[in-house]
Amino acid sequence: GENVEQHPSTLSVQEGDSAVIKCTYSDSASNYFPWYKQELGKGPQLIIDIRSNVGEKKDQRIAVTLNKTAKHFSLHITETQPEDSAVYFCAASPTEQLIWGAGTKLIIKP
Amino acid sequence: DAGVIQSPRHEVTEMGQEVTLRCKLISGHNSLFWYRQTMMRGLELLIYFNNNVPIDDSGMPEDRFSAKMPNASFSTLKIQPSEPRDSAVYFCASSFPGTTAGSEAFFGQGTRLTVV
Repeated sequence: GENVEQHPSTLSVQEGDSAVIKCTYSDSASNYFPWYKQELGKGPQLIIDIRSNVGEKKDQRIAVTLNKTAKHFSLHITETQPEDSAVYFCAASPTEQLIWGAGTKLIIKP
Repeated sequence: DAGVIQSPRHEVTEMGQEVTLRCKLISGHNSLFWYRQTMMRGLELLIYFNNNVPIDDSGMPEDRFSAKMPNASFSTLKIQPSEPRDSAVYFCASSFPGTTAGSEAFFGQGTRLTVV
């Protein structure tokens, strides 16, 4: 079955700098790759997703890149702000069921 | 729509007691997922339903756990008897699957369960 690995587990960046979180997956049948943000005391919320027919997608300060050959995808956050502090999860989907990464705790230092 | 609604938000119970967690799906969604989140194990899928039918319950830890969808908009997760190791945050999420794999899952606020 699908296995998703996510790195790093914790990432601390200076406010205004960029943050990059990386995930790898194992099942070449996966064709949907969402990223979720979980703030303290809340459920995860979708922030951006990408399908396998696209290599990159942007939404303001957030971008996701996908390399299907290498089976990895990354989340890029530019000009980080305090409100970006949260836990971020990647996931891959060979079926309707999402297979989740372990999460990355992003800390934005003032 | 108010989103996915879970109740209660917090539950503290004694070991051995029955616990029932509740979830109301977003109107029109036909897939329902129950997750458990802990620091040690992260986000684990317990069970998911499609059109009220359980599709994959391989994540249900043991027979003490059971889940139902009595109708298209409501689900319950029951633990009987509860044990301290069941302490976790339980999330339900709903989605409306498209024609291809993968669609956005909308999560509730979660139920923080503490078994003492």
